[in-house]
Amino acid sequence: EPEVTQTPSHQVTQMGQEVILRCVPISNHLYFYWYRQILGQKVEFLVSFYNNEISEKSEIFDDQFSVERPDGSNFTLKIRSTKLEDSAMYFCASNWDGRSQGLFFGSGTQLSVL
Amino acid sequence: GNSVTQMEGPVTLSEEAFLTINCTYTATGYPSLFWYVQYPGEGLQLLLKATKADDKGSNKGFEATYRKETTSFHLEKGSVQVSDSAVYFCALSPYTGTASKLTFGTGTRLQVTL
Repeated sequence: EPEVTQTPSHQVTQMGQEVILRCVPISNHLYFYWYRQILGQKVEFLVSFYNNEISEKSEIFDDQFSVERPDGSNFTLKIRSTKLEDSAMYFCASNWDGRSQGLFFGSGTQLSVL
Repeated sequence: GNSVTQMEGPVTLSEEAFLTINCTYTATGYPSLFWYVQYPGEGLQLLLKATKADDKGSNKGFEATYRKETTSFHLEKGSVQVSDSAVYFCALSPYTGTASKLTFGTGTRLQVTL
């Protein structure tokens, strides 16, 4: 069964460093998303991406965040200068039509900022 | 704004017991409602969904009915198994028929014992 894959599963970084979280969405999907979950809190929407541009973003997704689909298969989330409060589980997701069939999620990258 | 409230976990049940996980929501308009499940070490998986009032979503013995009058979408299963042990997330999408930008509850951990 096709699945969304995320790498790495765990990432530890120092405050102020740049990190790139990587995702390979399901191959025929067109809509891509990042969500995150801070420990003990809700899963939160960060950004959606379609046709090589951001279609929607949340207040969390400020200038420190960026997304890219560099090569037609990968979908990345970059945090330019990490803060302690960026520590969270980051989930990538994709779907075919951005509509009611639900999202397919990866297993997440646990980011720890020290 | 939109919000989802789930019952606090963890919920511990014996195998074959009846399960209810409560979920209530606040939203304008006519949201779509979802239950996602996360098994240990895996990503979020869509369990079931309902896109309009009085719809019943069902899958793998789980059911949930979209109740607009009580703004609820409680998850039920008549007889749980050890393999149902996971974290269950209630979620909504603000627009009927879409699933792109989800608002999640905090998740409820279910532990089923023999």
